[in-house]
Amino acid sequence: DTAVSQTPKYLVTQMGNDKSIKCEQNLGHDTMYWYKQDSKKFLKIMFSYNNKELIINETVPNRFSPKSPDKAHLNLHINSLELGDSAVYFCASSPGTGPSYEQYFGPGTRLTVT
Amino acid sequence: AQTVTQSQPEMSVQEAETVTLSCTYDTSESDYYLFWYKQPPSRQMILVIRQEAYKQQNATENRFSVNFQKAAKSFSLKISDSQLGDAAMYFCAYRNNAGKSTFGDGTTLTVKP
Repeated sequence: DTAVSQTPKYLVTQMGNDKSIKCEQNLGHDTMYWYKQDSKKFLKIMFSYNNKELIINETVPNRFSPKSPDKAHLNLHINSLELGDSAVYFCASSPGTGPSYEQYFGPGTRLTVT
Repeated sequence: AQTVTQSQPEMSVQEAETVTLSCTYDTSESDYYLFWYKQPPSRQMILVIRQEAYKQQNATENRFSVNFQKAAKSFSLKISDSQLGDAAMYFCAYRNNAGKSTFGDGTTLTVKP
């Protein structure tokens, strides 16, 4: 009964390729997020969707495109992968956008670009 | 823009002892929440404790408690009776009304048997 799941857990690919990471939550939450954690463990928000609408879009290269087909899913597509994209990408969800809501994190996807 | 600073990249504590992890933040907002997350080697992010800015009473969850000083913009985490399973990276996080979270750089906690 995984609350927030991500696929794949590990992804190794070459520079220039296009790849997608999928996220699904079965908690009935309205809000979902993508975070990037780099090699120094810095964790930074990339995007947030509420009821399938984009509400947070940080300064992220436009090679990154999130897509939310429904409230339970938030996918991340990355075009023309670069070495600097290597990181762990976390999906998270929360019941709403308010500051009091706990965020539930997925297990992370470790992306390695060679 | 909000910033969160964890000034201790690494800390260590003897098993059963108490350790305090520091966190300071900068914001001009009045309504926000503060969180401490734990990330063990499994890399799963686990919520440890949260604090509402409007509440003066410090939050407590079993062996974990915070010292929230709003005027000083300080939010430290105290772990009592440290256990081997507490070894992890700890992140302090600030969350504003728009739901945007800003994380500190993390503190790696080692627990010595």
